[in-house]
Amino acid sequence: GEDVEQSLFLSVREGDSSVINCTYTDSSSTYLYWYKQEPGAGLQLLTYIFSNMDMKQDQRLTVLLNKKDKHLSLRIADTQTGDSAIYFCAESLLPSGYSTLTFGKGTMLLVSP
Amino acid sequence: DVKVTQSSRYLVKRTGEKVFLECVQDMDHENMFWYRQDPGLGLRLIYFSYDVKMKEKGDIPEGYSVSREKKERFSLILESASTNQTSMYLCASSLSGDGANVLTFGAGSRLTVL
Repeated sequence: GEDVEQSLFLSVREGDSSVINCTYTDSSSTYLYWYKQEPGAGLQLLTYIFSNMDMKQDQRLTVLLNKKDKHLSLRIADTQTGDSAIYFCAESLLPSGYSTLTFGKGTMLLVSP
Repeated sequence: DVKVTQSSRYLVKRTGEKVFLECVQDMDHENMFWYRQDPGLGLRLIYFSYDVKMKEKGDIPEGYSVSREKKERFSLILESASTNQTSMYLCASSLSGDGANVLTFGAGSRLTVL
């Protein structure tokens, strides 16, 4: 079955890079996603990567995908206090309209000044 | 911007009451979802719908039902609320297509059952 695992907590200092890791079990995953949840709010999409890609960069965010090891990471460069939030990794097995997303339990990122 | 609106941010209900959680999206999305979020358990899928009047069970449908009479509205129903249904409920919607299934979430409804 589908399973997505993340570490639960990460603490960094402002200005450092943050790396949040995720592992998944289903090699049939077509897309992998990173969502962010700020306190008291719903989830918002940060970025996603198609399974035939190794890397995707979007401003301060870099996503790395290792399909062989079923490992996904999100790197946030120059982390700011406003990046403090819960970050969820998710996977989908089929294209939109035919599949749901399976989420990890979330990694709480705490950025200290 | 796509907007997903959950009508109630906070609700307090008593055991045995019938509870309706309403969700409306304004961007003509075909897919709609209900998740619940609990500390240490992450997000778990309750029900989803790919079209009007269609519904599919998710991972934890027991104790819940849904209604989708109109494309923009997806309601979650707790027929007889129990204390173990105290949780944050998140509604989401997405477009059908061949690409990524990008979910847009509402702000959540925090339900407390006493």
